[in-house]
Amino acid sequence: EPEVTQTPSHQVTQMGQEVILRCVPISNHLYFYWYRQILGQKVEFLVSFYNNEISEKSEIFDDQFSVERPDGSNFTLKIRSTKLEDSAMYFCASSDRFNQPQHFGDGTRLSIL
Amino acid sequence: QKEVEQDPGPLSVPEGAIVSLNCTYSNSAFQYFMWYRQYSRKGPELLMYTYSSGNKEDGRFTAQVDKSSKYISLFIRDSQPSDSATYLCAMKGQGAQKLVFGQGTRLTINP
Repeated sequence: EPEVTQTPSHQVTQMGQEVILRCVPISNHLYFYWYRQILGQKVEFLVSFYNNEISEKSEIFDDQFSVERPDGSNFTLKIRSTKLEDSAMYFCASSDRFNQPQHFGDGTRLSIL
Repeated sequence: QKEVEQDPGPLSVPEGAIVSLNCTYSNSAFQYFMWYRQYSRKGPELLMYTYSSGNKEDGRFTAQVDKSSKYISLFIRDSQPSDSATYLCAMKGQGAQKLVFGQGTRLTINP
């Protein structure tokens, strides 16, 4: 069964450094999403992406975050200058059409030191 | 009032029992309702996806949505130890893309 894959599974970064989280969505899907889950808290929406542009974003998704689809298969989340509070699980998801189910990857655990 | 509320548990039941998991919500604009299962160190796995009110059944799982009460449920029949996981409810509005999640209920099925 097709699945969303995310790399790396665990990323450790010094505070203030840039980090790029990578995702390969399901191949025929057109909508892409990033969510995060801080330890012990709810899964929170960050951003959605369609047709090479951001279609919706949350208050969390400020100027230090950016997303990109650099080629036909990858979808990335960049955090420019990481903070301690950015430590979380980051999940990528994709769906084939609007209002269709979102399928999640297994996440990248980001640890900021 | 929180947008989506879900009892975090933990909930522990014997194998073979019927499990009932629930969420309440406050936003009447929500139209799409989902249940995800999350095993430790894994991502949310979609179990059920329903639109508006009503029931949906898939094998041992039944999802119910009562929009008038702003209440959704997931029932698991003949529960198995492999059903032990955290169950997340999620929902969204018609024109929205973001999913709003509940806290998740940690379920353990004891052999």
